[in-house]
Amino acid sequence: AQSVTQLGSHVSVSEGALVLLRCNYSSSVPPYLFWYVQYPNQGLQLLLKYTTGATLVKGINGFEAEFKKSETSFHLTKPSAHMSDAAEYFCAVSYSGNTPLVFGKGTRLSVIA
Amino acid sequence: EPEVTQTPSHQVTQMGQEVILRCVPISNHLYFYWYRQILGQKVEFLVSFYNNEISEKSEIFDDQFSVERPDGSNFTLKIRSTKLEDSAMYFCASSGGQGAIVDTQYFGPGTRLTVL
Repeated sequence: AQSVTQLGSHVSVSEGALVLLRCNYSSSVPPYLFWYVQYPNQGLQLLLKYTTGATLVKGINGFEAEFKKSETSFHLTKPSAHMSDAAEYFCAVSYSGNTPLVFGKGTRLSVIA
Repeated sequence: EPEVTQTPSHQVTQMGQEVILRCVPISNHLYFYWYRQILGQKVEFLVSFYNNEISEKSEIFDDQFSVERPDGSNFTLKIRSTKLEDSAMYFCASSGGQGAIVDTQYFGPGTRLTVL
């Protein structure tokens, strides 16, 4: 069975500081990995995904994530936080793109001016 | 840019009543999903639908739930007799568009269901 663990239900950073949101997964088969963002009162928007190939994945809004198989991790980073990054971030795993996603519990990111 | 839409945005119902949540997936997509998120908890998979039939379902998706694609554009989730614990945000998603990126699920904005 697949599962996702997101460390930290709430992360707070200062504007301009590094954002690091942690995600570890377990999967018995090569995983597809996703980060979604949810702004208040909105749906889930795809930030980035890893399927195969390059392990460093770049997404929208300056976010990137690195797939590390040896660590079973897919941490999300952004060099410099912006106020508009404040949102809930969800890591998810699946067997392929068209199979059910298994989500982590989410991490709420707050950005302090 | 194509998007998944859901109606209504908020539904309030009495326990025991039937509700139907509606979704319009992206038009050329082939796979459809329902997920739910109980307040403060993780997003959970309910059911997936492909080629006019259920392809996978979770333990949550019991006999009180059903899905339908009645007219080739809408995708509905019916809860026959709502319970207090059905209160949640329900998300519809679609993926697998012909000629498009086939491995990304696109989510709608959600329907917040409140059962009183």
